[in-house]
Amino acid sequence: AQSVTQLDSQVPVFEEAPVELRCNYSSSVSVYLFWYVQYPNQGLQLLLKYLSGSTLVKGINGFEAEFNKSQTSFHLRKPSVHISDTAEYFCAVGRSNDYKLSFGAGTTVTVRA
Amino acid sequence: GAGVSQSPSNKVTEKGKDVELRCDPISGHTALYWYRQSLGQGLEFLIYFQGNSAPDKSGLPSDRFSAERTGGSVSTLTIQRTQQEDSAVYLCASSFNQGMGTQYFGPGTRLTVL
Repeated sequence: AQSVTQLDSQVPVFEEAPVELRCNYSSSVSVYLFWYVQYPNQGLQLLLKYLSGSTLVKGINGFEAEFNKSQTSFHLRKPSVHISDTAEYFCAVGRSNDYKLSFGAGTTVTVRA
Repeated sequence: GAGVSQSPSNKVTEKGKDVELRCDPISGHTALYWYRQSLGQGLEFLIYFQGNSAPDKSGLPSDRFSAERTGGSVSTLTIQRTQQEDSAVYLCASSFNQGMGTQYFGPGTRLTVL
């Protein structure tokens, strides 16, 4: 079994400040890792994913995440946020040869001017 | 191209009624997933279809829930005798293949059971 923990449920941040959203997972097998974003009244959109290779993954809208196998983490970062980054962010984990994704509970990011 | 579409976008029903939720996946995607998003919680896997294989129904919470996929394309999720705890956003996703093909999500159907 695997579980996904997003350590922060709410993250308020000022415009142009950096943000980090934390995600930890537990799994006994190799994993694939994803971050999805859900803007208000919209569906989920893929931000980035880690399947293999470089542990630093760059995604859309200036986001990046780093896979740390020893710490079983996949934290999401952006060096300078915009008002438009206000959304809910979900970390998701899949196992090798398994199509099901396990999602964290989500982190709501609110960007203020 | 067109993304995953779902209908209706909102559904309000009375306890005990049956509801049907529809999902149109991206053309050419062989895999289709249903998830449920309850208030303040992450997404919960419900069911998975891949081509002509038998669906994986392991995530369905009770026998009141069922789903079908006709012709390998459109899918319908049916909830019979709805209960208040069924209130949630039901999300559909599709991917080009199974395994770790990126899942593309629809906008969801918000179901409210009164």
